[in-house]
Amino acid sequence: TQLLEQSPQFLSIQEGENLTVYCNSSSVFSSLQWYRQEPGEGPVLLVTVVTGGEVKKLKRLTFQFGDARKDSSLHITAAQPGDTGLYLCAGANSNYQLIWGAGTKLIIKP
Amino acid sequence: DTAVSQTPKYLVTQMGNDKSIKCEQNLGHDTMYWYKQDSKKFLKIMFSYNNKELIINETVPNRFSPKSPDKAHLNLHINSLELGDSAVYFCASSRSAGVPTGELFFGEGSRLTVL
Repeated sequence: TQLLEQSPQFLSIQEGENLTVYCNSSSVFSSLQWYRQEPGEGPVLLVTVVTGGEVKKLKRLTFQFGDARKDSSLHITAAQPGDTGLYLCAGANSNYQLIWGAGTKLIIKP
Repeated sequence: DTAVSQTPKYLVTQMGNDKSIKCEQNLGHDTMYWYKQDSKKFLKIMFSYNNKELIINETVPNRFSPKSPDKAHLNLHINSLELGDSAVYFCASSRSAGVPTGELFFGEGSRLTVL
């Protein structure tokens, strides 16, 4: 069974701090997506990474796909209260199905 | 002009009842999904339809029956509701099932509470 483990499960930090959340698996994925979900809404795609070692930046968010395409990280610089939400990673397997992580709940305190 | 809309947003019902959740997408996508998100926020796929054809049917009790009258609609009917069915159900769509990098567009969710 393919699994994606996200860590930490929960993170509460002050505005302005930096943070990194991780998404790890023993399986290889053809691509990996990161979504953010806010309370009362559905997840919204932030980024898709496809190539091993790929780094993508979205303003203060930096996403990296591991060289072996088994893991990924999301780094946020100078976190803002608007970054608060549930961050979900999802890896696409060889059958094009998405395997979801359990999410990291992030709270940024003003 | 919501891309993926589902109704109702909230549903409170008694054990044993039958209920339906409707979903519509106006994105012209071929593939639609139903996901269940439990209290721990874990997203679990239930069903996927591609052009009205069922392509993913995970281990879900047969009390759950999806129906896709056309590729823009995917409804979920639940018979004999149980306490454990309480969750948020999300409808989603994507351009095509065969694209590994395809973005999923989610609805706002339907929170089902079974008393």
